[in-house]
Amino acid sequence: DTEVTQTPKHLVMGMTNKKSLKCEQHMGHRAMYWYKQKAKKPPELMFVYSYEKLSINESVPSRFSPECPNSSLLNLHLHALQPEDSALYLCASSQGVYYVQYFGPGTRLTVT
Amino acid sequence: EDQVTQSPEALRLQEGESSSLNCSYTVSGLRGLFWYRQDPGKGPEFLFTLYSAGEEKEKERLKATLTKKESFLHITAPKPEDSATYLCAVWRRETSGSRLTFGEGTQLTVNP
Repeated sequence: DTEVTQTPKHLVMGMTNKKSLKCEQHMGHRAMYWYKQKAKKPPELMFVYSYEKLSINESVPSRFSPECPNSSLLNLHLHALQPEDSALYLCASSQGVYYVQYFGPGTRLTVT
Repeated sequence: EDQVTQSPEALRLQEGESSSLNCSYTVSGLRGLFWYRQDPGKGPEFLFTLYSAGEEKEKERLKATLTKKESFLHITAPKPEDSATYLCAVWRRETSGSRLTFGEGTQLTVNP
């Protein structure tokens, strides 16, 4: 089973709101990722966690705050977002950072 | 800087009309090349990993091949359900982990 789950599926938030995206996997994977994908563009890497520690931050604005509470769970906390942050946010996981990445279904975020 | 170029950007085929998608790349320290399929509004679905020139992988109507500079995804006798965007990604090892660099994708439409 290579299932990564993400909640919520859709999220609409105002620029002053605080919200969180959640990602979960139960495959025993030790690396987890956040990607951002705009329409008709490929996924762009945001963050990489390896063994629950942040290993890559692709110079993402501080209004995006990742958190990895345990090896199965990855959160992305959102605060004071801009309309241009509207996108599909994808979570992925892999056995380790040198293994195949499996993606979740994504959260469609709209910032109004 | 890593570069991944996919062609064509879009491809329309009739059901049963075989064709190939191309992914050309320039990357130092290549660890492997991935092919993913992505349906609209969903996360990428893993198809293949290729690690060395000359390697081939097959799955149903799809066959992926790899040379030192490019990869091909051959689609034999496609069906309408093969319609999707096909993403190629190169995988490079770094000291902080591994990184996927995606191409822009080929949007495939198979008409009945």
